[in-house]
Amino acid sequence: DARVTQTPRHKVTEMGQEVTMRCQPILGHNTVFWYRQTMMQGLELLAYFRNRAPLDDSGMPKDRFSAEMPDATLATLKIQPSEPRDSAVYFCASGIGTRNEQFFGPGTRLTVL
Amino acid sequence: QQPVQSPQAVILREGEDAVINCSSSKALYSVHWYRQKHGEAPVFLMILLKGGEQKGHEKISASFNEKKQQSSLYLTASQLSYSGTYFCGTYGSSNTGKLIFGQGTTLQVKP
Repeated sequence: DARVTQTPRHKVTEMGQEVTMRCQPILGHNTVFWYRQTMMQGLELLAYFRNRAPLDDSGMPKDRFSAEMPDATLATLKIQPSEPRDSAVYFCASGIGTRNEQFFGPGTRLTVL
Repeated sequence: QQPVQSPQAVILREGEDAVINCSSSKALYSVHWYRQKHGEAPVFLMILLKGGEQKGHEKISASFNEKKQQSSLYLTASQLSYSGTYFCGTYGSSNTGKLIFGQGTTLQVKP
């Protein structure tokens, strides 16, 4: 049963600390998406990659967020420095192509104190 | 521009039907529907494409009116397992993979 995996599942950190979230897409999927979900803003796309190349990261605060795909089996989302307003659930999703169904990982619940 | 969903919340009894609407101020190229149960990740339900092609769920149907820039999700003979938040997602233009989700419609099915 192929699934997207994300680590860590929960993260509590203090303001100013670096946070790294990892995602392993489903084998064979060539597109990876990063979303952030909060009660106020809903589900927002932060960035997405196709064949490991970033296609759109306009949803990310550029000064503190960065997203990369070091290889086809790993996507990372980093926040440095973290702020309390970054507290949210961060989902990674993968798919084949950019306009087909997306398979979401379980999410990383981030709390920044 | 974020698509607008209505209603914001629905409470049903098992066996009843529900319709969730999704409308956009921009031209729609396709519409995605996802369901998210509390504390879980969104799960894909359906994609509706221009020209009427539909891919997805067996027990849930949907329509896509390109002229009106609207899509509707039909949940018939609802079951307890249908409870959750339903999101529609649309693309801002024809050449982007950036899916923009609506604010969600919370559906609660009671016994």
